[in-house]
Amino acid sequence: AQSVTQLDSQVPVFEEAPVELRCNYSSSVSVYLFWYVQYPNQGLQLLLKYLSGSTLVKGINGFEAEFNKSQTSFHLRKPSVHISDTAEYFCAVSQDQTGTASKLTFGTGTRLQVTL
Amino acid sequence: DTEVTQTPKHLVMGMTNKKSLKCEQHMGHRAMYWYKQKAKKPPELMFVYSYEKLSINESVPSRFSPECPNSSLLNLHLHALQPEDSALYLCASSQGGLGEQYFGPGTRLTVT
Repeated sequence: AQSVTQLDSQVPVFEEAPVELRCNYSSSVSVYLFWYVQYPNQGLQLLLKYLSGSTLVKGINGFEAEFNKSQTSFHLRKPSVHISDTAEYFCAVSQDQTGTASKLTFGTGTRLQVTL
Repeated sequence: DTEVTQTPKHLVMGMTNKKSLKCEQHMGHRAMYWYKQKAKKPPELMFVYSYEKLSINESVPSRFSPECPNSSLLNLHLHALQPEDSALYLCASSQGGLGEQYFGPGTRLTVT
């Protein structure tokens, strides 16, 4: 079985400051890792993904994440946040699937609150 | 185009009503999903369709009935719902086993 832990339920930060949202996972097999963002009253938007290759992954809106296999982590970072980054962020893991559909396990989410 | 569309955007229904939610994607994806999301919680998987066949049912009550008429469309038929079924219902699609899913904007359902 796999699981995802997002240690921080809320992260307050001032505009233009850097931010890191933490994500740890557990799985006994190879995994694919994702970060999704959800703005109020909207669906989930894919920010970035790690499937294989380089452990530093760049996504949309200036976000990046680093896959660390030894620490089973996939933390999300942005060097300078904007008010518009205020949203809920979900880390998710998908077990290596050989079939035709995937099954995502989500963390509980981190609310990023950016203020002036 | 990575768009998944859902209709309606909002739905209010009584406990004796029958209604349907619709989801559509034109990315050629062969897997489609229904999720339920309560406030301040992550999405919970309800159903998975793969090549238009139901492949996963996460022990969802029978008052929710999914249907996949073709590879682009996914419906969720609702009947005799309870107030606790009020939630945001999200549809998603994916190309297959890589795990990357694309989500629609959701239908906000309120059961009165």
